[in-house]
Formats: sequence, C-alpha cells, structure tokens
Amino acid sequence: HSALTQPPSASGSPGQSVTISCTGTSSDVGGYNYVSWYQQHPGKAPKLMVYDVIKRPSGVPDRFSGSKSGNTASLTVSGLQAEDEADYYCSSYAGGNTLVFGGGTTLTVL
Amino acid sequence: VQLQESGPGLVKPSQTLSLTCTVSGGSISSSGYYWSWIRQHPGEGLEWIGYIHYSGSTYYNPSLRSRVSISADTSKNQFSLNLSSVTAADTAVYYCARLVDGVPAAGHWGQGTLVTVSS
Repeated sequence: HSALTQPPSASGSPGQSVTISCTGTSSDVGGYNYVSWYQQHPGKAPKLMVYDVIKRPSGVPDRFSGSKSGNTASLTVSGLQAEDEADYYCSSYAGGNTLVFGGGTTLTVL
Repeated sequence: VQLQESGPGLVKPSQTLSLTCTVSGGSISSSGYYWSWIRQHPGEGLEWIGYIHYSGSTYYNPSLRSRVSISADTSKNQFSLNLSSVTAADTAVYYCARLVDGVPAAGHWGQGTLVTVSS
C-alpha cells in the first residue's frame, strides 16, 4: 500500500500548459479507472478537480483534464492562471475498498 | 452538504485520539455514501485513514488498521475516528470527507483540524 509517486514540483508561465504525473502499480492506478486529482491551496482543505480518471465535478474549469496510460495517470492544466498555483494530489482506488494518495506536487505559476 | 471536525487539539503520547465529524445538509444514513477520515502531516501529503459505509461497514488503511476505529452515530448525524496508542508521528491535520458509493473520490471535505501529539 505504498504512496503513489508524483514529482515534487512543476511550473509554467501564465497561458501555458503543464502536466503532472502520478505513477502507481497494476494494483492501483493501472488496475482501476478510479484516479482522482485534488487541488489544495495553503491552509485550505483539498478540492476535487478530477475523478474517474477523466471526469470533472460541476464547476471545475475544463482547463483541468485527466488521463491515464498503464500505471501512470496525468493531470494537465491548460491556459495556466495565477490561481492555479497550489499543491496537487492524485489518489487511486487500490482494491479491497482502500484508497492511496500520491505525495503531492507543488505547481508554481511563473 | 457540510462537514465539520471537532475534538481535542492536543493528545498525549500513548493515549487515544478521538475526533468527531458533524454532517449537515444531508444524512449519514442515506444510501450511497462513504464517510471518510484523511490526514495530512505538517508540510506533507495526504494519507487515507479509512471510511465507514452508510451500511455501517468499515474499511481501513492497512498501515493503521491495528489502531483505528471509525464509527457512526446516526441520531446525531456524526461519525467519529479513534486512533489508539498515538505517537508524535500521528501529529497531523485530520479531515473528514464524503465519498459517493462507486466513485472513490472525496467530493466534500471538512475544513480540517490540527491534532498535536505531545506530552
């Protein structure tokens, strides 16, 4: 039940696109289409941005998109805006009614 | 739906950490939901602790299973976390959250509460 692997940091200029990866195993990311992504601003609770790999909750801009290939999931933020600067966490269903999170990625808008 | 954590902010080592999540705007006994606890160590990532299904079934992180218990009080529309034999490594912000059955993603979160384990 190891944590999913994310790069510690990512960055991009306003208007650009940035992709954050989330690598697991065939027992979690690769085994189920149940990857979620969360955005967390300092001192705030996480906010769900993507679920079921590619779906967005109501109200989340379509600049946020998810994908998956094998054991690696990705979150792409297009048209970067200043307010996108935050920590991003991935999560995956890991079987047996358990969940596992990634270590988080700090996104900096340059 | 809104969730609000409550409980002691300071717990002594070896004691039991007890937190309650009060839910408003929806019933915890309504079908189709999991009620979860998630924690975040200072400056670190998120860690899933466990959840209780509306049916009463509970599921825990294998790494914490021996020390964790999650229960629900439907009369108060609350669910609770007990974590026994705590150490400084259990110091964290504890969040309660709601997941939808069949969608293992936390769509609603409480604001979180910091629990420090120290003598």
